[in-house]
Amino acid sequence: DAKTTQPTSMDCAEGRAANLPCNHSTISGNEYVYWYRQIHSQGPQYIIHGLKNNETNEMASLIITEDRKSSTLILPHATLRDTAVYYCIVRVLQGAQKLVFGQGTRLTINP
Amino acid sequence: GAVVSQHPSWVICKSGTSVKIECRSLDFQATTMFWYRQFPKQSLMLMATSNEGSKATYEQGVEKDKFLINHASLTLSTLTVTSAHPEDSSFYICSSLRAGRSYEQYFGPGTRLTVT
Repeated sequence: DAKTTQPTSMDCAEGRAANLPCNHSTISGNEYVYWYRQIHSQGPQYIIHGLKNNETNEMASLIITEDRKSSTLILPHATLRDTAVYYCIVRVLQGAQKLVFGQGTRLTINP
Repeated sequence: GAVVSQHPSWVICKSGTSVKIECRSLDFQATTMFWYRQFPKQSLMLMATSNEGSKATYEQGVEKDKFLINHASLTLSTLTVTSAHPEDSSFYICSSLRAGRSYEQYFGPGTRLTVT
């Protein structure tokens, strides 16, 4: 799987939008961008995934640049419960492709 | 949503003993399951991939004779840590790929293993 680069940590005020960037400059044409998050001492939780179009669900929005070399996960109204480590991963959609986790971004939501 | 459970959620054992951790997909069939290990303040590290009815594929550096994986059914995979040592103390997490929908991968809540 292609590697991703994320900032080590970020802070955001409660109620504001949290924008988490991810670089994946070596992404292949058939690789999707996935976002997971891990709250302390729990298993990772799926957030969203996309190929090239922007995606939105009840948790977040995913903005992928036109060249697909980077993306941004947006939590529109961050709450204290969104404090977690956020992982950006690229992988092929089909088949039993393993998810390889990088170091992620530790997001802290401040009151 | 799809649920993956792990049992036990935490376990303390003595050096030299073996510990079995179960991973179950509760409401879907999983042809493929993954096992991860996570040390404090570190990311998840993939240990092995298990497919139902076949031998697991281990990542480089993971001892297959120490970490025994069995995926006997479409809803159950087990990880046995044999002859545990204190350095095996870690957070073990499993995940399951939903059969026929490989873009859906769900994680269990993890098992905290402490070896004394």
